[in-house]
Amino acid sequence: DQQVKQNSPSLSVQEGRISILNCDYTNSMFDYFLWYKKYPAEGPTFLISISSIKDKNEDGRFTVFLNKSAKHLSLHIVPSQPGDSAVYFCAASAGGTSYGKLTFGQGTILTVHP
Amino acid sequence: GAVVSQHPSRVICKSGTSVKIECRSLDFQATTMFWYRQFPKQSLMLMATSNEGSKATYEQGVEKDKFLINHASLTLSTLTVTSAHPEDSSFYICSARGFGGAETQYFGPGTRLLVL
Repeated sequence: DQQVKQNSPSLSVQEGRISILNCDYTNSMFDYFLWYKKYPAEGPTFLISISSIKDKNEDGRFTVFLNKSAKHLSLHIVPSQPGDSAVYFCAASAGGTSYGKLTFGQGTILTVHP
Repeated sequence: GAVVSQHPSRVICKSGTSVKIECRSLDFQATTMFWYRQFPKQSLMLMATSNEGSKATYEQGVEKDKFLINHASLTLSTLTVTSAHPEDSSFYICSARGFGGAETQYFGPGTRLLVL
């Protein structure tokens, strides 16, 4: 039972354009969402997060949007740069006894072409 | 950001042997460490959560006698794959969380295990 899904295995974008990575979830108990970036042979690194009480969080070129009614979140990267090429994972966390446990999506490989 | 190391980065072993993987938080004290497993083209699956000085909490379907976790200090957790079999071949990643929220969870670079 995949509670967090990233339905696009890969995305290819031209440098300078917008990259939009999507993520859907099914568990309504999730109240905190995170995006991670992963390079080959390295562990995931935290990128940006959003709490369920918000619908948008922005940090520089990265913006995460949350649509709770649709159980959908997206990561926008503007403008995209070749150095952004990596695997992006969305993850979700619930409070209570599940605090800190992360449920990951399958990841989306982003390739930004010069 | 904080640094988490894993050792070894890659290990090949014969079926039936045990393999120990170390996870260390290098510049902070980790109240909680997590162990994940990733199959090719799949998401990271949480295996267990360990808190320093207490027994690990395993996720459903993960054999605790198969995957022994020890969290002896605030900077070190170990995962031992006992009597490894080819189906245990996978990518194992640990993460360490300090005194903060979910975003303070830092991941190690992972260990690639191949059981022949």
